Amino acid sequence: GAVVSQHPSRVICKSGTSVKIECRSLDFQATTMFWYRQFPKQSLMLMATSNEGSKATYEQGVEKDKFLINHASLTLSTLTVTSAHPEDSSFYICSASEGGAFFGQGTRLTVV
Amino acid sequence: AQRVTQPEKLLSVFKGAPVELKCNYSYSGSPELFWYVQYSRQRLQLLLRHISRESIKGFTADLNKGETSFHLKKPFAQEEDSAMYYCALSGSGGSRLTFGEGTQLTVNP
Repeated sequence: GAVVSQHPSRVICKSGTSVKIECRSLDFQATTMFWYRQFPKQSLMLMATSNEGSKATYEQGVEKDKFLINHASLTLSTLTVTSAHPEDSSFYICSASEGGAFFGQGTRLTVV
Repeated sequence: AQRVTQPEKLLSVFKGAPVELKCNYSYSGSPELFWYVQYSRQRLQLLLRHISRESIKGFTADLNKGETSFHLKKPFAQEEDSAMYYCALSGSGGSRLTFGEGTQLTVNP
């Protein structure tokens, strides 16, 4: 199946700093990628749809200025958590679709 | 609005027993339904999708539009089936997924 790679898998940052998470489709091109957030023992919540060459579409309640998404190429989307706070600590997962969604391994963000 | 409901957060069965993970959905159009599985310490991966009508690892799921359900079934559970299972829905024309809350399946020896 298609492979989606996410980096880093874990990151710890200080409160107030920014963190960038990368999502790459390794063996296919993805004009659309999706970013999810997963709280412990809860389901995946769609945060935004990342569109190559255009602005991302954010779900209701997701702050676009806080979660910056860039989809500059057909194989790479990035999510930047700006001015991170402890409540942003979570598991972030990206996906891209090729006949069904394929998921990255996720990024565990801890803000201290 | 689209919504997916998995009524059981936890499901425990013995090896060799039949297992059914329930999924109900609400969607006004023609949805595409999926089951995803997440084994311990692994990424989420596609298990099956209703349009392909295939059996993967012995699992099957039939879309019942009348009951708006897409239950996942396996006649004889194996220990390696222990995992978190998510039912998901995609509206027509897109791959934006709405997930259920997941069911943690434990198959006991």
